[in-house]
Amino acid sequence: GQNIDQPTEMTATEGAIVQINCTYQTSGFNGLFWYQQHAGEAPTFLSYNVLDGLEEKGRFSSFLSRSKGYSYLLLKELQMKDSASYLCAVLDSNYQLIWGAGTKLIIKP
Amino acid sequence: DVKVTQSSRYLVKRTGEKVFLECVQDMDHENMFWYRQDPGLGLRLIYFSYDVKMKEKGDIPEGYSVSREKKERFSLILESASTNQTSMYLCASRPPGQVEGYTFGSGTRLTVV
Repeated sequence: GQNIDQPTEMTATEGAIVQINCTYQTSGFNGLFWYQQHAGEAPTFLSYNVLDGLEEKGRFSSFLSRSKGYSYLLLKELQMKDSASYLCAVLDSNYQLIWGAGTKLIIKP
Repeated sequence: DVKVTQSSRYLVKRTGEKVFLECVQDMDHENMFWYRQDPGLGLRLIYFSYDVKMKEKGDIPEGYSVSREKKERFSLILESASTNQTSMYLCASRPPGQVEGYTFGSGTRLTVV
């Protein structure tokens, strides 16, 4: 079966760094996405990785290792507005998105 | 900016009712999707459509149907609502061939009583 695992909840302090991990087992792989979703709102696109390595976009970076079936999202200089759920999703061999359950990130002052 | 609009943010319906959830996008995207989102489960694909009058079953189509009469509108239909269909429903669209281009609506939280 297809499976994507990520922690249910994480807590971090404003100004700090947090790493949210995602491991996956899917039928085929055509890329991995990270989305941010604030409570009651639509998911919004953060990153897309299809090759191994680290991609940096401002305070957010995303890493992929295809051989390990592993990705992480790194958030630096945390701000209160980063409190949200972070969703990991893999594009499978049929080009459909398979989603993890999401990680709720709580930022404390 | 691409906009995906879902007609209702909150809906309360009775068991056995026929329910219509509407989704409209304004960027001429061919591809449209309906997901449901439940705590601890992530998003699950119900139906998708790659063109007008075309529809494909996703992972959990039972109890649902869809309609795509116009390119910009993709409707999800619950033929006879049941309490286990209480959920958040999310519509998304994207242009063909652009895997990064998913845009989601704000969701409809449906409660079936």
